[in-house]
Amino acid sequence: KAGVTQTPRYLIKTRGQQVTLSCSPISGHRSVSWYQQTPGQGLQFLFEYFSETQRNKGNFPGRFSGRQFSNSRSEMNVSTLELGDSALYLCASSLRVSTEAFFGQGTRLTVV
Amino acid sequence: QKEVEQDPGPLSVPEGAIVSLNCTYSNSAFQYFMWYRQYSRKGPELLMYTYSSGNKEDGRFTAQVDKSSKYISLFIRDSQPSDSATYLCAMSDPFSGGGADGLTFGKGTHLIIQP
Repeated sequence: KAGVTQTPRYLIKTRGQQVTLSCSPISGHRSVSWYQQTPGQGLQFLFEYFSETQRNKGNFPGRFSGRQFSNSRSEMNVSTLELGDSALYLCASSLRVSTEAFFGQGTRLTVV
Repeated sequence: QKEVEQDPGPLSVPEGAIVSLNCTYSNSAFQYFMWYRQYSRKGPELLMYTYSSGNKEDGRFTAQVDKSSKYISLFIRDSQPSDSATYLCAMSDPFSGGGADGLTFGKGTHLIIQP
């Protein structure tokens, strides 16, 4: 059974640009969540989608947004990038909302 | 006060030792408790999960949840050098009104198993 797939694995962007990250969940999983991981803050919850609906959102500015498609694949978008957005962005999928989740390898975003 | 507290370590033990990793939390509404292992530059790997209080065993790993004390533990028996990684605890309340708030993570404990 294929795991959670995230693309791309690495990205370098310039301040002010926008970026879109992609996530394909485990087959049959309808919940997809996104997390930001930094050395200082650890893993922080961004948002979670279930059946194309955003179920909840963490304490991040509106520059961070996401969506989920009918096949459960998800994308997250960060607009007007700031240096502080440099982080590992992790996608996770689960059968149910906010329960045991399986993570992808992450997308490492560097903003210069 | 942070919602989930976890000693960052590093915790260094000799090969074959029993390892004890712990987290404390403040939100009594948490119902699901998970342990993840994360190797450098990789995504977290789910090791164990439990619902509510009690113990759960899987091979060399045992997870314990004490909701009355708001304390969870992960024990690793017969530790191996390949167990060297960062261990993250996570917890959630999927039943909260208005929608759950994802998983809340501890900062992780860096574990080193010395050959």
